[in-house]
Amino acid sequence: DSGVTQTPKHLITATGQRVTLRCSPRSGDLSVYWYQQSLDQGLQFLIQYYNGEERAKGNILERFSAQQFPDLHSELNLSSLELGDSALYFCASSVGPRDRDPGELFFGEGSRLTVL
Amino acid sequence: QKEVEQDPGPLSVPEGAIVSLNCTYSNSAFQYFMWYRQYSRKGPELLMYTYSSGNKEDGRFTAQVDKSSKYISLFIRDSQPSDSATYLCAMRAAFLGRNSGGSNYKLTFGKGTLLTVNP
Repeated sequence: DSGVTQTPKHLITATGQRVTLRCSPRSGDLSVYWYQQSLDQGLQFLIQYYNGEERAKGNILERFSAQQFPDLHSELNLSSLELGDSALYFCASSVGPRDRDPGELFFGEGSRLTVL
Repeated sequence: QKEVEQDPGPLSVPEGAIVSLNCTYSNSAFQYFMWYRQYSRKGPELLMYTYSSGNKEDGRFTAQVDKSSKYISLFIRDSQPSDSATYLCAMRAAFLGRNSGGSNYKLTFGKGTLLTVNP
């Protein structure tokens, strides 16, 4: 158990709909990352938050948004869903910056989104 | 050209075999090289990491980095059925500094290689 909790584990919805994925990081971790995993693209970085502020942005679509709340949990909002958005969405958290630290990410078990 | 290339396999070997997994990359700024293991229906977990070039051994696992060739490898000796998983390489540039404003561990992942070790 990584200590990162993601809900829901599975979600089935229709095109055009909106969903919210939730993540609780490990106790004490200030950074939260969102990744999308699909068979053809692999694990793609979407966005990172650190202590409530957006820190880095990756291949995140404009239809997607995220935020990190004062209690450090994070939500990823996916709107106007398309068939191609079907994927596993992972949240990960990490400890603070340290020299020579590889920056280990602790991943949750993911939220599997199916868009029909 | 993708920043990180990894053969997705699948790779199927008998128990006890030596497994070699590889990734190539194009970004010269990458300094940290990691291998994550992902079991079915689970999130990735860090297996090993190496800073810059060289080798690192941990039990049956050995990670190698050749920065001159932009090539990294993971070797698994005496492979076991419990090693069956997807192995993802991951890389990032050096940490930006204490005053950079916080954690910035953006990792770039390979697509992963699906390994099956048959009893």
